Amino acid sequence: AQTVTQSQPEMSVQEAETVTLSCTYDTSESDYYLFWYKQPPSRQMILVIRQEAYKQQNATENRFSVNFQKAAKSFSLKISDSQLGDAAMYFCAYRRPWPARQLTFGSGTQLTVLP
Amino acid sequence: DAEITQSPRHKITETGRQVTLACHQTWNHNNMFWYRQDLGHGLRLIHYSYGVQDTNKGEVSDGYSVSRSNTEDLPLTLESAASSQTSVYFCASSEDGGVVDTQYFGPGTRLTVL
Repeated sequence: AQTVTQSQPEMSVQEAETVTLSCTYDTSESDYYLFWYKQPPSRQMILVIRQEAYKQQNATENRFSVNFQKAAKSFSLKISDSQLGDAAMYFCAYRRPWPARQLTFGSGTQLTVLP
Repeated sequence: DAEITQSPRHKITETGRQVTLACHQTWNHNNMFWYRQDLGHGLRLIHYSYGVQDTNKGEVSDGYSVSRSNTEDLPLTLESAASSQTSVYFCASSEDGGVVDTQYFGPGTRLTVL
């Protein structure tokens, strides 16, 4: 079974600084998909960014980017120019290749942004 | 706008009672999922469905059941609620046929079993 590990339960960053959240996963598949979800205090789950394992190029969405290291099974999230609104719980998630559609989540990293 | 809703948002029940949590989506998505969120565990999959009349067990399915009689709804039933089922429950849906289909989540239901 696939496992997703987020080894940093809590992290903090100064406003306008950069922070990196770590995620590692275990799989025997060669093709799969990785996601980062954000959960603010409202509890709503929001997709931040996604990465297809067959793509070598790291995904980027505005201030959010990933460092995908397939051989190391590592998928870290970098948040640049951190804003107060970035404060949230962040979850890394894994999805097996088609036809599987369900996600396996890590335990989450609580990010605090300091003014 | 299309959306996914859950009801109730908060529920308190007693041990041994049957409880049903509703999930309704208006995107016409084939795939629907139920997760529970507990501190230190992230979200764990309870049950999922790839279409009408299709249901599958997830990682933590014991004590839960689902049924899919139409595309829009996937109710989650706790047959005999236990204190260990106190949790926040999330429903999600995704569109079929995509290579990287995105799951859209409902707002969650906080369930307390006393």
